[in-house]
Amino acid sequence: DAGITQSPRHKVTETGTPVTLRCHQTENHRYMYWYRQDPGHGLRLIHYSYGVKDTDKGEVSDGYSVSRSKTEDFLLTLESATSSQTSVYFCAIREDGYNTEAFFGQGTRLTVV
Amino acid sequence: AQKVTQAQTEISVVEKEDVTLDCVYETRDTTYYLFWYKQPPSGELVFLIRRNSFDEQNEISGRYSWNFQKSTSSFNFTITASQVVDSAVYFCALSEASGGYQKVTFGTGTKLQVIP
Repeated sequence: DAGITQSPRHKVTETGTPVTLRCHQTENHRYMYWYRQDPGHGLRLIHYSYGVKDTDKGEVSDGYSVSRSKTEDFLLTLESATSSQTSVYFCAIREDGYNTEAFFGQGTRLTVV
Repeated sequence: AQKVTQAQTEISVVEKEDVTLDCVYETRDTTYYLFWYKQPPSGELVFLIRRNSFDEQNEISGRYSWNFQKSTSSFNFTITASQVVDSAVYFCALSEASGGYQKVTFGTGTKLQVIP
């Protein structure tokens, strides 16, 4: 199994509070991704990273920020959580190359109340 | 912009029936890769297969087969003699360069229920 872990696995937070989700890999892969999964929407890309301190926006990046200060860690921050950000969040890693498959973490279920 | 469409939201079949999951993609690139992933009820995402844009040969792996047709921008997935363990959400995905960096776009998924 690819070495990728997400923390926390479950979190309940209140509207307006900041939240940080962590993705940690032991594979030294270049690419890391954050997706959210919602019914009817599948997996939507929030942000991705192609190297340390190199990140870019995905299709649903509003309200989210990311940071990657080390190869192994990719943090997703909700600056001020809203109920619309209640979702399951998946982190994925990939080696460089078009043909490489993504390996996913186990997901973080976030509930904003 | 790249896009992946899985028009079938949910499919139910009786065990041992064959079922085909459709995937249609859009891309401006000539070089790209297509993938299928499986998400069983336990929630993890599992890689099934990849196909590059220059290889239109169909692929068969046991009860699974994939039909890639560039002319119709489709990459369909067929399960032969379905089993209850095939019940899952299946995602089709597209990998291409975006400004030189590789994004992976997923479809909305097809939920397959195999009824015993």
